[in-house]
Amino acid sequence: DIQMTQSPSSVSASVGDRVSITCRASQDISSWLAWYQQKPGKAPKLLIYAASSLQSGVPPRFSGSRSGTDFTLTISSLQPEDFATYYCQQTNSFPITFGQGTRLEIK
Amino acid sequence: EQLLESGGGLVQPGGSLRLSCAASGFTFSSYAMSWVRQAPGKGLEWVSSISASSGSTDYADSVKGRFTISRDNSKKTLYLQMNTLRAEDTAVYYCAKDSADWVRGWFDPWGQGTQVTVSS
Repeated sequence: DIQMTQSPSSVSASVGDRVSITCRASQDISSWLAWYQQKPGKAPKLLIYAASSLQSGVPPRFSGSRSGTDFTLTISSLQPEDFATYYCQQTNSFPITFGQGTRLEIK
Repeated sequence: EQLLESGGGLVQPGGSLRLSCAASGFTFSSYAMSWVRQAPGKGLEWVSSISASSGSTDYADSVKGRFTISRDNSKKTLYLQMNTLRAEDTAVYYCAKDSADWVRGWFDPWGQGTQVTVSS
């Protein structure tokens, strides 16, 4: 199975800050990576697919990038509604696997 | 596009449940579908996926041989038959729509989830 390791597991930031979350795959997954946002008690929401493609309706302050087996989700200027948990997901091969999540908290 | 799960509840270890996911607002028969679960306070775990035509199915090792995914395109409904349930199957179960007729893995949207609790 492909392991997805997210870092950090939690981060505190302020409104307006730029934040980056990293996800490392245990083997090559090409660009078969997605990022999701989940708020407490709610279903996850797709933000980024194919490593860097912005899902329709998602604000452009969200962006994704890839360098080898390292993937980064960046939020350019945090808004109050962005405080949530973020998950990466690989879909290169079965079983589909998720990272353990990064909790983004208000400083 | 909307997904609505049902069928969750409290069941004893060794028991069975069938979850349903009713789809609306899109051409259900054109998209692969999946189930993802989340144990209390934990992260997301992929459970199973099915292609649009039902020609291809896949399962996590943790549920293989116990769970069966299926779909009825005429009823626009996805199912998950869960047998021989264990305490570790306790979770919120989400259904999710894929972006293609095969399992590409870009899940959007997700349903609101249905709680499954396995306990005596």
